[in-house]
Amino acid sequence: GNSVTQMEGPVTLSEEAFLTINCTYTATGYPSLFWYVQYPGEGLQLLLKATKADDKGSNKGFEATYRKETTSFHLEKGSVQVSDSAVYFCALGGGSASYDKVIFGPGTSLSVIP
Amino acid sequence: NAGVTQTPKFQVLKTGQSMTLQCAQDMNHNSMYWYRQDPGMGLRLIYYSASEGTTDKGEVPNGYNVSRLNKREFSLRLESAAPSQTSVYFCASKPGLSGYTFGSGTRLTVV
Repeated sequence: GNSVTQMEGPVTLSEEAFLTINCTYTATGYPSLFWYVQYPGEGLQLLLKATKADDKGSNKGFEATYRKETTSFHLEKGSVQVSDSAVYFCALGGGSASYDKVIFGPGTSLSVIP
Repeated sequence: NAGVTQTPKFQVLKTGQSMTLQCAQDMNHNSMYWYRQDPGMGLRLIYYSASEGTTDKGEVPNGYNVSRLNKREFSLRLESAAPSQTSVYFCASKPGLSGYTFGSGTRLTVV
């Protein structure tokens, strides 16, 4: 079945450091891929998405490219801020039906220190 | 503000008690979902509703029931709470193939 694997956390970075959070997936067909972010005490928010191979999703300085050949969707940011401290979830959306279920990775906790 | 509203935000139950978690969305989305979030396990789907009047089991449905009351509302019921159901519960809705919109969660403790 479909699954998502993320790098283990927690990740601690200094402000302005480069961020990479690895995500790989296993899926049949052509899923959509997502990154969600969860700030402390809040629900998950969609950060970015890509719907087909070689698409690049971007938002708030974060980027991720849908790599079908390596089944990856790594999240990157060139210069992190303290306000980026949160838990990041890679996710995979299934088929073409409107009710398709999204499968989440376990999450990677990021702490950015001044 | 448009979005997904969950109530209550916090709840403590004794083992064997029952309760209903409420969820409402005002974005006219057809699909709605209930997830639970546990440390180190990410989010696991409990039940979902593709449209008004339909519900289906997700990955971890045991011990739960749901009702899609109308297009806006999707409730989750625990008939006899157990300590294993201590978790944070999230409701979400989705418009077609786009990503979810999540509620802010209900933190449930069963003692």
